[in-house]
Amino acid sequence: DAGVIQSPRHEVTEMGQEVTLRCKPISGHDYLFWYRQTMMRGLELLIYFNNNVPIDDSGMPEDRFSAKMPNASFSTLKIQPSEPRDSAVYFCASSSTGRRVDQPQHFGDGTRLSIL
Amino acid sequence: AQSVTQLDSQVPVFEEAPVELRCNYSSSVSVYLFWYVQYPNQGLQLLLKYLSGSTLVKGINGFEAEFNKSQTSFHLRKPSVHISDTAEYFCAVSDSSASKIIFGSGTRLSIRP
Repeated sequence: DAGVIQSPRHEVTEMGQEVTLRCKPISGHDYLFWYRQTMMRGLELLIYFNNNVPIDDSGMPEDRFSAKMPNASFSTLKIQPSEPRDSAVYFCASSSTGRRVDQPQHFGDGTRLSIL
Repeated sequence: AQSVTQLDSQVPVFEEAPVELRCNYSSSVSVYLFWYVQYPNQGLQLLLKYLSGSTLVKGINGFEAEFNKSQTSFHLRKPSVHISDTAEYFCAVSDSSASKIIFGSGTRLSIRP
């Protein structure tokens, strides 16, 4: 039973470059979440989708960040242009059964992003 | 709006000693409460959750937590820790109408042999 799959696991790039993070949620899950984790700010929710539609993007730090979910099995988080302060671990999580919060979120192993 | 506070950023304990990780929340409505664990270089995993009913909740790996409405707390406990419990632990809160949950800042549990 495959969990949430994120790629790449590690990304190192120079500032100004475009970065694309990818996520494959668990099959059948209808909610998808993108989080960012840093030492300074902890775990922050960036955006989440329900049935491929963005529901709340209030956590997206600025216009350089964008997220898409073209279908139920794939989502991307893009940063363009990237800056050193974007360095963090980015997590994707998915959950099922609509608005029932008693269904736990399943997390991927994260993408460790370093912007030089 | 809800919020959750984890009072301790780090908790060092000796192996086989008991441990308590503290969590307080604020909310104007009924809440659901969670504890997640994050092992090194991994994502978060659900340890346990409180939705309703008994205030003492048992989770995986021998952990338990007690919901205290009057003190707005949901502290996590384990009577005897192992080296393998070394991880970061996150308390989280959500209300019954929300699809997202709010995470605390995390508590890093380090176990000394």
